[in-house]
Amino acid sequence: EVLLVESGGGSVQPGWSLRLSCAASGFKIGDYAMHWVRQSPGKGLEWVGGLNWDRGSIGYGDSVRGRFTVSRDDAKNSLYLQMDSLRPEDTAVYFCAKDVSPGGDYFDSWGQGALVTVSS
Amino acid sequence: SSELTQDPAVSVALGQTMRITCRGDSLTTHYATWYQQKPGQAPVLVMYGKNKRPSGIPDRFSGSSSGNTASLTITGAQAEDEGDYYCSSRDSSGIHLWMFGGGTKVTVL
Repeated sequence: EVLLVESGGGSVQPGWSLRLSCAASGFKIGDYAMHWVRQSPGKGLEWVGGLNWDRGSIGYGDSVRGRFTVSRDDAKNSLYLQMDSLRPEDTAVYFCAKDVSPGGDYFDSWGQGALVTVSS
Repeated sequence: SSELTQDPAVSVALGQTMRITCRGDSLTTHYATWYQQKPGQAPVLVMYGKNKRPSGIPDRFSGSSSGNTASLTITGAQAEDEGDYYCSSRDSSGIHLWMFGGGTKVTVL
């Protein structure tokens, strides 16, 4: 069974950094593209960024490009999201999502999410 | 344009048929993917590719596409079908890479 568990969320001040983790089980993250998707309170889904099977960056959404970095540790079977220069508008639940393919297609499994609050 | 447009809300009587639509230029070259999200929960994949349902999704869910519009149809809606539905696709322009529609809130009366 595929399981994705996010951790590392919390409350931070604007300008601070935070790193989210996504522990995967039931599959090898190195065999698939992996993504981060976020959802601001009461709003819709927004793709944040992703990593394909060979660690190549799939890219980032406009609103986070240059501030956020997606990485992974195959030995720990975990995906990470390094978030720097955080802004209040980054407040959201961040979901880790597994892609159905190595290069990126659509998301067939999601974690339960980690809440990040950016406020002074 | 590089965006997907959905109606904000749709209601349907129990047992009746409802259709949710998603419009966008990217849908002329990419299939839409549909996700269901219930309050406080993660999204769940309900439709992908050309009318394909993941294991465990009831066959009352079906998908179709024509031109720049994709549709998700629920034939015989059940109370448990209530929730938010999001369409998604790759971005043909390569700018946004993956896009989501704004979501449609489905209410079963």
